[in-house]
Amino acid sequence: KQEVTQIPAALSVPEGENLVLNCSFTDSAIYNLQWFRQDPGKGLTSLLLIQSSQREQTSGRLNASLDKSSGRSTLYIAASQPGDSATYLCAVRRDNNDMRFGAGTRLTVKP
Amino acid sequence: DTEVTQTPKHLVMGMTNKKSLKCEQHMGHRAMYWYKQKAKKPPELMFVYSYEKLSINESVPSRFSPECPNSSLLNLHLHALQPEDSALYLCASRGLRGDSPLVMNTEAFFGQGTRLTVV
Repeated sequence: KQEVTQIPAALSVPEGENLVLNCSFTDSAIYNLQWFRQDPGKGLTSLLLIQSSQREQTSGRLNASLDKSSGRSTLYIAASQPGDSATYLCAVRRDNNDMRFGAGTRLTVKP
Repeated sequence: DTEVTQTPKHLVMGMTNKKSLKCEQHMGHRAMYWYKQKAKKPPELMFVYSYEKLSINESVPSRFSPECPNSSLLNLHLHALQPEDSALYLCASRGLRGDSPLVMNTEAFFGQGTRLTVV
């Protein structure tokens, strides 16, 4: 069974800092990996999708990388803002549409 | 339109009640998911429908009964729930536009969830 781990569990940074969130998974036979953002009590907002054949995806201040062979992905957030405060979740999709989540990283960006 | 709509937004039900959660999408997606999320925990996979057929059931108790009446609609029927079933229930959809693995690698979209409280 696929196990997905995210570190750190929580992170607090001052506004303007660049930061990296980590996601690791145990089974490298994946179709894709997706990063989401979740605000308290809300649904999930898709940030970036990386296909298994890709190494990197970028959207604005966000950059996600994937090293499938080592079972790792990182989400890089540049020039963090207070509005980036949320929980960030990675989800790994295998065959049969099985999509599993890590426990998330709770990010606080202080003004 | 990348919207997945869930209704109701909030639901309070007694342990003897029967209720249903509804999820709708009009993106032509043929894979639809139900997740359960407890506070400060990640979403836990419950059910997956692929082409309107149940493809994954994560050993969910029978008091939860999913239904996919057509390609746009997903229901979760609830009966005789327990207080520990109180959670945020999330629906998601993903495109399956063919049998090629290339078109199966598509982005998943989530609804805003139904906050369920069992009293």
